[in-house]
Amino acid sequence: QQQVKQSPQSLIVQKGGISIINCAYENTAFDYFPWYQQFPGKGPALLIAIRPDVSEKKEGRFTISFNKSAKQFSLHIMDSQPGDSATYFCAASGSGGNEKLTFGTGTRLTIIP
Amino acid sequence: ETGVTQSPTHLIKTRGQQVTLRCSSQSGHNTVSWYQQALGQGPQFIFQYYREEENGRGNFPPRFSGLQFPNYSSELNVNALELDDSALYLCASSGELAGRGTQYFGPGTRLLVL
Repeated sequence: QQQVKQSPQSLIVQKGGISIINCAYENTAFDYFPWYQQFPGKGPALLIAIRPDVSEKKEGRFTISFNKSAKQFSLHIMDSQPGDSATYFCAASGSGGNEKLTFGTGTRLTIIP
Repeated sequence: ETGVTQSPTHLIKTRGQQVTLRCSSQSGHNTVSWYQQALGQGPQFIFQYYREEENGRGNFPPRFSGLQFPNYSSELNVNALELDDSALYLCASSGELAGRGTQYFGPGTRLLVL
């Protein structure tokens, strides 16, 4: 059973626009929500992460919005650039010991000129 | 500070063979997790090692096994390879220095089973 649902599967955004990727989770024991960026042939790279005690976290052009009651979180990429074209994964983990990451299915983002 | 490294980068095996993949964790990290990423999918947790002991396992059969060494490097072994084992295998390191929950991934080993 998939515990983290991610949408959309693919996204095309014009350069300078805002890219928005959404995730929803089911397990209320999750307490750490990172986003990873993956380029073809590379491993995922940690982009930004949030814990449920805050509703928003911003790092440069990247912002996570978190809605604990709805069990949803989203990634916003402001002023999207062609170099942002990659696959983005949301993930979640708990504090139960091994803190394994449960990933969403990924969003392939393409930024067009 | 060096990042997570994995070897080999690519590997081709035939069904029924055995394979060993290697991972060196980031400096100061004492925990290694292994993930399988099928084409077009998100990574799936295989298992985690903390200070040389298995510390959690995902929904993978026993033919997937691992080791962690005193220097915190790790191996993933897969016996009796099946076609569906073809995937990118990712190693991630973490630990107190990384912050709770934070995992840093290596570039992966691309395994093709024919």
